[in-house]
Amino acid sequence: DAGITQSPRHKVTETGTPVTLRCHQTENHRYMYWYRQDPGHGLRLIHYSYGVKDTDKGEVSDGYSVSRSKTEDFLLTLESATSSQTSVYFCAISESAGGYNEQFFGPGTRLTVL
Amino acid sequence: GQNIDQPTEMTATEGAIVQINCTYQTSGFNGLFWYQQHAGEAPTFLSYNVLDGLEEKGRFSSFLSRSKGYSYLLLKELQMKDSASYLCAVMDSNYQLIWGAGTKLIIKP
Repeated sequence: DAGITQSPRHKVTETGTPVTLRCHQTENHRYMYWYRQDPGHGLRLIHYSYGVKDTDKGEVSDGYSVSRSKTEDFLLTLESATSSQTSVYFCAISESAGGYNEQFFGPGTRLTVL
Repeated sequence: GQNIDQPTEMTATEGAIVQINCTYQTSGFNGLFWYQQHAGEAPTFLSYNVLDGLEEKGRFSSFLSRSKGYSYLLLKELQMKDSASYLCAVMDSNYQLIWGAGTKLIIKP
């Protein structure tokens, strides 16, 4: 299994508070992704990174920011959490972007915003 | 817009065969992936198709027709542990994965 961890695994917070989720990998993969997964929807890309300090927006980036200061860590921040951001958040990694490059997923973080 | 369609839920019997379909309309095509996701767990990779035809991997096979925007995942000799959601995803022209909502497969004894 690819070495990907996420922290925290579960979090309950209140509307308006800042929240930071961490993804850590030991595979030295260049690409890292943050997705959210909600019932009735496919995984939706929030932000991704293609190298240290290189990030770009995904499909549902509003209300989220990211940072990648080291190859192994990719942080997702909700500046002011809202109830619509209650979801399961998955981090994923891949060696490169295209072709036969599967994405490996972390265990997920279940976030509840009250 | 981009769209991936797959059935919401399917039921099958242990030992039988089941086919899970996926149709897609995306901006460009750089391959189609199938993932398995058990409840409460992370998705795990099952298969990748980029050329038309059938790819076989043990009890699992995946088929692709690019002209029809269609794929299916075939699971043979079903086991109880195959109860999971099966996610279809297409890599678009920007090399981003577009995901279907998943098909929940229920296996009955």
